[in-house]
Order: sequence, then structure tokens, then C-alpha cells
Amino acid sequence: GDSVTQMEGPVTLSEEAFLTINCTYTATGYPSLFWYVQYPGEGLQLLLKATKADDKGSNKGFEATYRKETTSFHLEKGSVQVSDSAVYFCALSGSGAGGTSYGKLTFGQGTILTVHP
Amino acid sequence: DTGVSQDPRHKITKRGQNVTFRCDPISEHNRLYWYRQTLGQGPEFLTYFQNEAQLEKSRLLSDRFSAERPKGSFSTLEIQRTEQGDSAMYLCASSLGGVQYFGPGTRLLVL
Repeated sequence: GDSVTQMEGPVTLSEEAFLTINCTYTATGYPSLFWYVQYPGEGLQLLLKATKADDKGSNKGFEATYRKETTSFHLEKGSVQVSDSAVYFCALSGSGAGGTSYGKLTFGQGTILTVHP
Repeated sequence: DTGVSQDPRHKITKRGQNVTFRCDPISEHNRLYWYRQTLGQGPEFLTYFQNEAQLEKSRLLSDRFSAERPKGSFSTLEIQRTEQGDSAMYLCASSLGGVQYFGPGTRLLVL
């Protein structure tokens, strides 16, 4: 079945540091890929998405590129801020191909990011 | 901003009791999803509806769990004879077939 693997956390960085959170996936067909973020005390929010190979999703300075050849969707930001401290989840949505479910999200385990001033 | 809402936000119950949660999706969204999230883990899919039809149920959804969406609008998730292992955050999301928008969740604690 579909699965998502995120890098082990937590990740602690100083403000303005470069961020990478690794995400790899296993899926049948051509899933859509997402990064969701959960700020302290809040619900899950969509950060960015990509729906086909080589697409780059971007939002709030974060970027991720859909790499089918390496089945990866790594999250990057060039200069993190204290306000980026949150839990980040990589997720995929099945394509419906090969009998897989269309629409439901499969999440990774989440990566806690803490940014210090 | 009328996003996805869930009620209650917190629920504490004793083992063996029944609980029911409600989710109100974004009004024009035809798809509604339920997920469960335990501490330190990502959300896990439970079930989803397209309009009033329940189209898929996860193997995580034991016979003690039942979900409904009677008029294709709000949905309820009931857990009968709760167990301590049911303690988790229960999340609802809705969509028009694309991006899913999540509610704030209902945190359940079974004593």
C-alpha cells in the first residue's frame, strides 16, 4: 500500500538557517504530494502541493519538487524564522490507479521544527 | 471565514462509555474525511464520504466505530464501548475533490 517516510526529528535550527526536511514515498501510479503544517495549538494547514512529476510547489518561502525518479518530495526553505516552528507533515493522495484509493491522504510521521532566535 | 468545524474540541470519558463527535464541513464541499492522530504520529485515515455515501472504511475502523453523513452535509463519528486505546485526536477534513481542509480536531481521552 501507499506509504510516506519522513526524516527523523526533531530538527533544531537558528534563525536564518537553511532548512531541509526529507520525504520519500511509495505509491502506485502518480499520486499528488503535499506538505501540511501544524502550528502549536492549531489544526493542520496545507503548506504546498504538487500534482505531477517535476512540479514545484511553493508557499511562504518554502519549496518542494516532485521527483518521481527518486520518489521524493523534500521540503526546503532558505532562511527560517522563529515563526516557522511547527510540526511538518508530508502526505500523498492516491491517484486511483491499480485500485488504490483516490483522495484519501497518507501521512508521514511528522517532523518537529524548532527555530531559535 | 467558515472553515471546517468540529464539536466538541475536547472529550473525557470513562472506558466503556459511548461518545459521538460532529464535523461540519465547508458548505460546498462534497467529500468529507475522518482521520485519527495519536501523539507523535501523522494522521491515519479512517473513512470518507462523497455526499451521503460512505465510500471507504479503513481496517482501523473496528465494529465499535460508526460514521454517518445523513444529508450530505455534517457528519458524526460514534465510538461505542470506548477503550483506552481510542484516546487520540480525531480530525475531520473536507474537499471538493482536491485539497483537503482540516478542522481543529476533537481530542478524546478515555480513562
